[in-house]
Amino acid sequence: DTGVSQDPRHKITKRGQNVTFRCDPISEHNRLYWYRQTLGQGPEFLTYFQNEAQLEKSRLLSDRFSAERPKGSFSTLEIQRTEQGDSAMYLCASSSMTSGSSYNEQFFGPGTRLTVL
Amino acid sequence: EDKVVQSPLSLVVHEGDTVTLNCSYEVTNFRSLLWYKQEKKAPTFLFMLTSSGIEKKSGRLSSILDKKELFSILNITATQTGDSAIYLCAVIPPYSGAGSYQLTFGKGTKLSVIP
Repeated sequence: DTGVSQDPRHKITKRGQNVTFRCDPISEHNRLYWYRQTLGQGPEFLTYFQNEAQLEKSRLLSDRFSAERPKGSFSTLEIQRTEQGDSAMYLCASSSMTSGSSYNEQFFGPGTRLTVL
Repeated sequence: EDKVVQSPLSLVVHEGDTVTLNCSYEVTNFRSLLWYKQEKKAPTFLFMLTSSGIEKKSGRLSSILDKKELFSILNITATQTGDSAIYLCAVIPPYSGAGSYQLTFGKGTKLSVIP
């Protein structure tokens, strides 16, 4: 399967615990995005990487959230001291950057569903 | 703040009906508008629209953008039960440097097609 993959698919944790999610983008894609989606809402942008550089972060990304993409391939999203309001689907997407085109469509992974008890 | 509004929020139709989903936005000088289909998993890409008035088609689905009136529509003809999903509309903001590639989504339209 050459699509975007995410691990784990489901995570249940207790309030106050730390959690880490992983995203493996499509191999030739150099742009990687994290979104959060709650019930009845569209995905909300969290952060974006171009290669290993984190170029943009949403105001939604509090200081309890941190994302990395150390080698410009896979990415991790860590949430520290989880709160019940963090319960959501965390989606990862990737896209390519080709010459002559400033934007290409984003391909989404299956998501990690987080439940904070 | 950029805003994308989709209507209706939910829709129930019978197989064979034609549906029109609406997306309006308040993003000046946006670069592109995208439509995604979301079933019980990740959104899957349908269309990217950049130019006003040019219809894009894929099978029974088609979409068009009106940049002057700031809206887009997604049409589905001869609906099938497999079309049941949430249809998401998203816009890409104007370019403003190294970032500016995130999508701003609407809440989606939940389409249910009954036999």
